[in-house]
Amino acid sequence: QVQLVESGGGVVQPGRSLRLSCAASGFTFSSYPMDWVRQAPGKGLEWVALISNDGRDTYYADSVKGRFTISRDNSENTLYLQMNSLRADDTAVYYCARRSTVMDYWGQGTLVTVSS
Amino acid sequence: DIQMTQSPSTLSASIGDRVTITCRASQSISSWLAWYQQKPGKAPNLLIYKASSLETGVPSRFSGSGSGTEFTLTINGLQPDDFATYYCQQYNSYPWTFGQGTEVEIK
Repeated sequence: QVQLVESGGGVVQPGRSLRLSCAASGFTFSSYPMDWVRQAPGKGLEWVALISNDGRDTYYADSVKGRFTISRDNSENTLYLQMNSLRADDTAVYYCARRSTVMDYWGQGTLVTVSS
Repeated sequence: DIQMTQSPSTLSASIGDRVTITCRASQSISSWLAWYQQKPGKAPNLLIYKASSLETGVPSRFSGSGSGTEFTLTINGLQPDDFATYYCQQYNSYPWTFGQGTEVEIK
């Protein structure tokens, strides 16, 4: 069955960097675009970034453009989110999601807390 | 960016009730709308895509309708497992955007 497992979250100081990973299994990873979506504590969902199945095309929300980089390693079935210049308002649970037409499978999320 | 507005924000209902949640888009999104259910501490779960197509494995008491700028999610015969927060999401254009959520609580 489809499994997505995020890791890499934690507490980080403002201005620092963090890299999230999402390990995929149970499907042909290289055939699907992938997304990152985040949810601040007690708030709604915010789409963050998308990467095409081959990694050539990427899209970002304005709130993270220039600071976050989405990438993937199809040989390792792993999705990444490199987060630089982190701010307090980046504090959230970060989910990776598989995209068919829509985000049909989601991981359990990893919590990123940006705090001094 | 396309703004998605859900109503109501909170809905109190009883087991067996018919529940309707509305989602409005700030511009036409054709039928490129999905609905997700989220329970506390869990990831969202896809219910409906392309406005009215039921995702595999989702109970038939869930249904979606609408096109253009106005959409509805209906639950026919609310079950205990349905108390959760529901989000609409447009995928007509980037950035993809979500509604603010509708919490369905026990009356």
